[in-house]
Amino acid sequence: KAGVTQTPRYLIKTRGQQVTLSCSPISGHRSVSWYQQTPGQGLQFLFEYFSETQRNKGNFPGRFSGRQFSNSRSEMNVSTLELGDSALYLCASSWITGYEQYFGPGTRLTVT
Amino acid sequence: AQTVTQSQPEMSVQEAETVTLSCTYDTSESDYYLFWYKQPPSRQMILVIRQEAYKQQNATENRFSVNFQKAAKSFSLKISDSQLGDAAMYFCAYRSINTGTASKLTFGTGTRLQVTL
Repeated sequence: KAGVTQTPRYLIKTRGQQVTLSCSPISGHRSVSWYQQTPGQGLQFLFEYFSETQRNKGNFPGRFSGRQFSNSRSEMNVSTLELGDSALYLCASSWITGYEQYFGPGTRLTVT
Repeated sequence: AQTVTQSQPEMSVQEAETVTLSCTYDTSESDYYLFWYKQPPSRQMILVIRQEAYKQQNATENRFSVNFQKAAKSFSLKISDSQLGDAAMYFCAYRSINTGTASKLTFGTGTRLQVTL
């Protein structure tokens, strides 16, 4: 069974732009969670989607948003990028909310 | 809110030796899950082992085992017969069983493990 895939793997954007990251969960998994990893703040939970509905949200500004499609694939969007948004964005999928999460390889976003 | 603390930023172990990584956590909940994840230089987070708080028996997974002390809120990871491939960043993580927050993993700051010949 294929693992969690994330695209793109690397991205360079300019301050003020917006960006969309994509995550395809393991086949059969319906829950997708997003995390931000930075050297300063460590790993922080962004949000979780299950059956196309946001189930849980972390403490991030409204510039961070997401959605989930009927095939469980999820996208994360960051608008009006700031330098501090430079991070590794990790996506994790699980069968349903509360089950073990399996992570993708991440998308490295650099904001210049 | 739950917090997870890893007090060892870096550890080193010789190949074939045993090393223990420490983790403490703070929670007011009685039931929860604890995990150890490994993040090698490739950056992909890999689940190493999990422990359910209601189980008294410590989890084991091949060369990896935990020492779960619920009263002390301690959850250490022991790696036996260390291998070069064990070199990575190790994260301790907490997850509630409450439906509203069950999807959220709370991570510690990580311990970088170096394995030497």
